[in-house]
Amino acid sequence: SAVISQKPSRDICQRGTSLTIQCQVDSQVTMMFWYRQQPGQSLTLIATANQGSEATYESGFVIDKFPISRPNLTFSTLTVSNMSPEDSSIYLCSSGWTSKDTQYFGPGTRLTVL
Amino acid sequence: AQKVTQAQTEISVVEKEDVTLDCVYETRDTTYYLFWYKQPPSGELVFLIRRNSFDEQNEISGRYSWNFQKSTSSFNFTITASQVVDSAVYFCALSVEYGNKLVFGAGTILRVKS
Repeated sequence: SAVISQKPSRDICQRGTSLTIQCQVDSQVTMMFWYRQQPGQSLTLIATANQGSEATYESGFVIDKFPISRPNLTFSTLTVSNMSPEDSSIYLCSSGWTSKDTQYFGPGTRLTVL
Repeated sequence: AQKVTQAQTEISVVEKEDVTLDCVYETRDTTYYLFWYKQPPSGELVFLIRRNSFDEQNEISGRYSWNFQKSTSSFNFTITASQVVDSAVYFCALSVEYGNKLVFGAGTILRVKS
């Protein structure tokens, strides 16, 4: 299975600042996904990031708030901009799954906004 | 649109009891993929199973078993002889395109008491 790592694993940030989360996959993947899990809630897809094209955002998520980069087939970043306490969540990146893979979620970034 | 319903918000059992977690899905696609994930308190998502829509065979893996019934659009998960280490949040998820994004259910919190 692909190994997915995320940085940072956790962070505490001040309101109004921005945080960029990095996601690295140990093999080339076409699609990468960013999910948000608010406290006590399920996972919600923020956007799909394909290399060489703009990210596709789900309803309720906008590029100005969650800009995404996908510079190559193994790496992506998600920025949480102008943060507020409501952005406190776990952010998880994921690669497109295949029948050979069993683990295609990163370990998550636990973000707390004060 | 796709939807996954996990009607059980929280289940508490005593160790060694059997427990079934329910999952009902909705999709108009004839080909789809169903998943179960475990999320322990540490927050990482642990893959448990993936099932294709054209494979209705039930599966058993140790103390875990899954019952897939297309007629009722259900994909239920049973833990036999539960253990304290099974305490976690369990998510059922659906994907309608190979390798693509997942739609998650709300999750079921399982508490196993000794």
